[in-house]
Amino acid sequence: QVQLQESGPGLVKPSQTLSLTCSVSGGSISSGYFHWSWIRQPAGQGLDYIGHMYSSGSTDYNPSLKTRVTISVDTSKNHFSLKLSSVTAADTAVYFCARASYGGILDDWGQGTLVTVSS
Amino acid sequence: EIVMTQSPATLSVSPGERATLSCRASQSVTTNFAWYQQKPGQAPRLIIYGASTRATGIAARFSGSGSGTEFTLTISSLQSEDFAVYYCQQYNNWPWTFGQGTTVEIK
Repeated sequence: QVQLQESGPGLVKPSQTLSLTCSVSGGSISSGYFHWSWIRQPAGQGLDYIGHMYSSGSTDYNPSLKTRVTISVDTSKNHFSLKLSSVTAADTAVYFCARASYGGILDDWGQGTLVTVSS
Repeated sequence: EIVMTQSPATLSVSPGERATLSCRASQSVTTNFAWYQQKPGQAPRLIIYGASTRATGIAARFSGSGSGTEFTLTISSLQSEDFAVYYCQQYNNWPWTFGQGTTVEIK
């Protein structure tokens, strides 16, 4: 089990880029076979899987966001990051980072961070 | 994209009673399927994976069943801490997708 903690601006202006970081403790981000994942949840709604970076360095992005999303890993800092460009109010949500094992089981989650898109 | 449909949207149950939640996939996901519990202001918590395997630390009153397109989560005797929203998830096909959630509330 690892601990994950999201950080980043809570307010982003429309058309700008949302940037979040997930710090991982209790284990190395470069060990094992895990998907380092981002999920979001608009207020009062369900969960949307944004995408992930696999331990090998490959990435998968939800097709609905693919043109705007970048997920990267910094092994030296033991953290991974999310960038979502050209944001609109529809991107306002709580953003969670998580670790997925065994091909998709989200067994460790961060506490989530609210990002509001507003001018 | 595989669509996951949960029913009912809301389930009203008295403490001590059994709760049965359902999830249907728009196409087969074999047993690459999980259930999560989410309480207000918290992150989701893994309850069941592989359709029927309880996650570490999950009480035996939680059980999962099903394969293919039909899945069930059963809570045998609801405790006060079990009232929450439950989400199903498939991880058989990309993109991984969640159901819209079932709220289990106190009757």
